Amino acid sequence: DTAVSQTPKYLVTQMGNDKSIKCEQNLGHDTMYWYKQDSKKFLKIMFSYNNKELIINETVPNRFSPKSPDKAHLNLHINSLELGDSAVYFCASSLVRNTEAFFGQGTRLTVV
Amino acid sequence: DAKTTQPTSMDCAEGRAANLPCNHSTISGNEYVYWYRQIHSQGPQYIIHGLKNNETNEMASLIITEDRKSSTLILPHATLRDTAVYYCIVRVGRNTPLVFGKGTRLSVIA
Repeated sequence: DTAVSQTPKYLVTQMGNDKSIKCEQNLGHDTMYWYKQDSKKFLKIMFSYNNKELIINETVPNRFSPKSPDKAHLNLHINSLELGDSAVYFCASSLVRNTEAFFGQGTRLTVV
Repeated sequence: DAKTTQPTSMDCAEGRAANLPCNHSTISGNEYVYWYRQIHSQGPQYIIHGLKNNETNEMASLIITEDRKSSTLILPHATLRDTAVYYCIVRVGRNTPLVFGKGTRLSVIA
């Protein structure tokens, strides 16, 4: 059973489109994250949610909107996609009192 | 920004111990040292963490200097599957996000 699962694994879309990436964790964790890994392989935090509430929002364009319908899900919606949004997006989760964060396998987004 | 400095790359012969150094000279007393790795095309994977004592688990050992300004991750018997980018991360508390630096690309060679 996959602990943190993301869908889709690959996403190719045109500039200007709106797309969503879904993330689900079955670990019972209460904190979830979105990270972006660009072409230079830098991993950067984008958002962090704790118990469905946004607790961290790094400098990310307003076109990116996370949605957490419940503690097990954190989806990422992106409006008006741009070429620079092309990257691998990783979802992760952790238990507040625990120390280990589990990452999904990533979603490779390519904007053409 | 990452608070750690790591070598860009290292090689290690298969079956030998891989020793990956990390400098974190500005670490504060309440900050932990974490190690993660990222195998090609996969999500980061937790390895080990520590505060000031040396730690060991089934994957690796973590040696932290007494002044806590540096640490070494040890993979006792490296295999080809250990080829990955290894990230040393300094983290305050347990619910702050991980801030990744550039990491060390470890290549295990047969």
